Amino acid sequence: DAGITQSPRHKVTETGTPVTLRCHQTENHRYMYWYRQDPGHGLRLIHYSYGVKDTDKGEVSDGYSVSRSKTEDFLLTLESATSSQTSVYFCAISGGGPYEQYFGPGTRLTVT
Amino acid sequence: GDSVTQMEGPVTLSEEAFLTINCTYTATGYPSLFWYVQYPGEGLQLLLKATKADDKGSNKGFEATYRKETTSFHLEKGSVQVSDSAVYFCALSDINTGNQFYFGTGTSLTVIP
Repeated sequence: DAGITQSPRHKVTETGTPVTLRCHQTENHRYMYWYRQDPGHGLRLIHYSYGVKDTDKGEVSDGYSVSRSKTEDFLLTLESATSSQTSVYFCAISGGGPYEQYFGPGTRLTVT
Repeated sequence: GDSVTQMEGPVTLSEEAFLTINCTYTATGYPSLFWYVQYPGEGLQLLLKATKADDKGSNKGFEATYRKETTSFHLEKGSVQVSDSAVYFCALSDINTGNQFYFGTGTSLTVIP
């Protein structure tokens, strides 16, 4: 199994509070991704990174920011959480090119 | 832009039945194609992949062939088991779009004894 961990695995927070989710990899892969998974929508890309300090927006980036200061860590921040951001968040990594993505175990976030 | 369309579920089959889950794609370049499986409460796991036209990916009795002429990558298994119950996602990656991945919406499969 690819070495990807996500923390926390579960979180309940209140509307308006900031939240940071962490993705950590031990594979030294260049690309890292944040997705959210919601019923009826499949996986939707929030942000991705193609190197340290190199990030770009995905399909549903509004209300989210990311940072990557080290190859192994990719942080997702909800600056002011809303109930619409209640979801399961997955981190993924890839070596690029024709290579597959490997997924973390997910973080279930509930915003009340 | 790039996209993946897969058949909607849910799909319910009896054990030992034949499975097909359809997947078609749109891409500007020459994408790599993947099938992922997700069991309840877990992340997605790679099931199989194909990186060029006419390649056949296979794993655990599942197969899919990269058909450029029909832009398809249908998943098949000859005899499903209860343990195959999961959600299946078709996906593509395209280096022309910065190595972004595009996923279908998933097909839920339930196999009954």
